[in-house]
This record gives sequence, structure tokens and C-alpha cells, in this order.
Amino acid sequence: SQQGEEDPQALSIQEGENATMNCSYKTSINNLQWYRQNSGRGLVHLILIRSNEREKHSGRLRVTLDTSKKSSSLLITASRAADTASYFCATVDVLSGGYQKVTFGTGTKLQVIP
Amino acid sequence: DVKVTQSSRYLVKRTGEKVFLECVQDMDHENMFWYRQDPGLGLRLIYFSYDVKMKEKGDIPEGYSVSREKKERFSLILESASTNQTSMYLCASRLIGLHFEQFFGPGTRLTVL
Repeated sequence: SQQGEEDPQALSIQEGENATMNCSYKTSINNLQWYRQNSGRGLVHLILIRSNEREKHSGRLRVTLDTSKKSSSLLITASRAADTASYFCATVDVLSGGYQKVTFGTGTKLQVIP
Repeated sequence: DVKVTQSSRYLVKRTGEKVFLECVQDMDHENMFWYRQDPGLGLRLIYFSYDVKMKEKGDIPEGYSVSREKKERFSLILESASTNQTSMYLCASRLIGLHFEQFFGPGTRLTVL
């Protein structure tokens, strides 16, 4: 089953605007991560937020986490054409036995128009 | 830099063939993962391995098996390929521990005819 569900599925904005993507998940988590994927490529890690954190910044990225609502958002400020990509959230669950399972959502496809 | 490599970028196989997808990482990571990615479904976990010779089923293991004989190598095996296994396959690795990121390979686009 999908742990994370991103919203919206697709987003198209003009260069310079802000882009906001949301992620909802089902079970308790230790941390939540955001990844980026350029078309036809593997994913690249962007940022990690721990369950005891509410907000985190990295350059033009801002991530929030609301564990009571089981949701997170990724904000990209002052978007650029090079930000065009798909963005995924991922949760890390610790299973019985201590195994760490990483589960991804369905992704948001962002298009930034120059 | 961590490097995760996959044996092929593109692969075309016939129904019923046995298919091997290889993944190698060069940073001594304990955990390795195989996902498949399909439009609208995101990444779905097939199998993962938390150490050499160890494996755990993910969310969609049916029709697949894996092998981890060496720490750096994690192989995905399609015992008898079917057309519904046409997909993008992504391998990833990470250090053991809760707050580590995953590193991904470039992906293998498999087409089963």
C-alpha cells in the first residue's frame, strides 16, 4: 500500500512563482524525506525532517511537518525552469525486528514555465 | 560521492524469459532496495535487504526474487517475465539508521514483449 500520497498530482507555474506540494501519510513515522526526480532518472534526496521538527529550510526549499495531521508540505520559492521535475515524499518506518522500510508516495509533477 | 549503478539503462525481453537486474553501490551501505515505478503509482517497493544474505519482501514481491551475496551488490530476478512487469526499475542504497537518505541508481527501463 502507498504510505504517502502527494497533492496535487501535477502543478504548472510561471518562473519566479512559489510552488507548494503536499504529502499525506498513514502510519506513525520517524522522519519524512523529500526527493526530486528529473525525467527518466533516479531520485535525488532534497531534505529530511524528523518527527520532532515542525519546519526546516534548505536554500529555496521549506518543508513543514504536522504529525497530528500526518501531513507534510514542500515549498519551493522563486521557482526556476530548472526546478521542473517530479517530487516525492518518503517515510521511514521501523518494522518489527528493527528493519527500516522506506516507502514513497505517488509524486507531484512540477512544470515551471520560463 | 556515493555511486549506485545499474547494469542496464534499457532492456527488452520476451515473455517467459528469466531476467536479471543488477545493482552495485560503492559506499558500503547496509540497506539496499528495489522499486518499480509506473505512471500514477509512484515508487512501489518490491524487495529490500538490510544486510548481506538478508532480504525482506516489500509491497509487491510477487513474480520477483532477489539475491544479496555481497554487500555491494543487490540483484533483482524476474523468474518468468510477463508483460505486466514492463516498468522502470530503480535501485537504491542507504546506511543503516533512521536519518539517512537513500541514494538511487539511474534506473532500468524494462520492456517485456
